[in-house]
Amino acid sequence: DAGVIQSPRHEVTEMGQEVTLRCKPISGHDYLFWYRQTMMRGLELLIYFNNNVPIDDSGMPEDRFSAKMPNASFSTLKIQPSEPRDSAVYFCASSPSQGAQGNGYTFGSGTRLTVV
Amino acid sequence: AQSVTQLGSHVSVSEGALVLLRCNYSSSVPPYLFWYVQYPNQGLQLLLKYTSAATLVKGINGFEAEFKKSETSFHLTKPSAHMSDAAEYFCAVGSFRAGNMLTFGGGTRLMVKP
Repeated sequence: DAGVIQSPRHEVTEMGQEVTLRCKPISGHDYLFWYRQTMMRGLELLIYFNNNVPIDDSGMPEDRFSAKMPNASFSTLKIQPSEPRDSAVYFCASSPSQGAQGNGYTFGSGTRLTVV
Repeated sequence: AQSVTQLGSHVSVSEGALVLLRCNYSSSVPPYLFWYVQYPNQGLQLLLKYTSAATLVKGINGFEAEFKKSETSFHLTKPSAHMSDAAEYFCAVGSFRAGNMLTFGGGTRLMVKP
């Protein structure tokens, strides 16, 4: 298995532009999580999906952030408009439901977003 | 509710010295416990996990952790640090009641001096 795949690895954009981050979970994993990591705030859970349905988006910082999961193999995190304070590393992780509590999460390599 | 506290956001050891990274958890039900490692510019990788079997858990790269219920702890150790162990380490807790939700600690950055 190729693991959780995120793209792009790096993104540099200008303030006000729309940014879309992409994630392909491990096949068969029906939970998908989006995290943001910064030096100041550490690892923050933004939103998670179960069977493509958003379950908890309470971590999404504001309405500029949105996430979708149109099918079991693809999810996007969109920021519109982007701001410099959105600069961070964004991680996607997935996990299976069966025996999930003992399996933990598998993380992608992350997308490093820089908004200038 | 579940929570994790990692004592010490930064730990520095000399190469060859003992590594001890502390993790204390809070859970109202039997926990599942995890240690993840994050090398620079990479994602988090599972190092080891405790899921109610043996209380002493061995992971990759010579790391191990011991679940101590009486102390609500799951400290990570390695007898002899290598330069390649320099990374950030995250402790996480889950439970059957929490479903698939893991709660992560704030992380501990391990620095290894030559």
